[in-house]
Amino acid sequence: EVQLVESGGGLVQPGGSLRLSCAASGFTFSTYWMHWVRQAPGKGLVWVSRINRDGTSTSYADSVKGRFTISRDNAKNTLYLQMNSLRAEDTAVYYCARGNWNYGIDYWGQGTLVTGSS
Amino acid sequence: SYELTQPPSVSVSPGQTARITCSGDALPNQYAYWCQQKPGQAPVLVMYKDNERPSGIPERFSGSSSGTTVTLTISGAQAEDEADYYCQSADSSGSFVVFGGGTKLTVL
Repeated sequence: EVQLVESGGGLVQPGGSLRLSCAASGFTFSTYWMHWVRQAPGKGLVWVSRINRDGTSTSYADSVKGRFTISRDNAKNTLYLQMNSLRAEDTAVYYCARGNWNYGIDYWGQGTLVTGSS
Repeated sequence: SYELTQPPSVSVSPGQTARITCSGDALPNQYAYWCQQKPGQAPVLVMYKDNERPSGIPERFSGSSSGTTVTLTISGAQAEDEADYYCQSADSSGSFVVFGGGTKLTVL
């Protein structure tokens, strides 16, 4: 069974930093692209970032480019999102998601809440 | 930036057919995916590569594509299908993933 378990969310002041983690199990982590997707309270899904199988290629939404960094440790079956210079508008549930086919997403974690507030 | 456009809401009576559309200029060249999200829950994939149904998804869910529009059809919608539905795809270069704004399906 595919499982994706996010952690690391919390309350952070504007300008602060946070690192999210996603522990993957139930599949061969190193053979799949991975994504982060976020959802602000009461709003829709917004793609944040993706990383290829070996971590050599990444891409980001314009809203987070230069502030967020996606990475992965295939030996630990773990995906990361380093978030710097956080803003109030970054407040959202952040989902870790498994990529499949051409930029599709087939499995989602339960999400972790990041709240940017002073 | 590239956008996918969905109607904000669709409403049907139980047993009727619900159709949710998603429009985007790159859809003739990029696959579309659909996920379902119920309140307080994580999204669940219900359709991939335009018209492929994942295992465990009821047969009443189907997908189609025509030009710049893809459609998720729920034939004989049931109360349990009431949820938000999001289409997802990529821009023409395949560099960025994009979600539609979501469609709230009401079955009553």
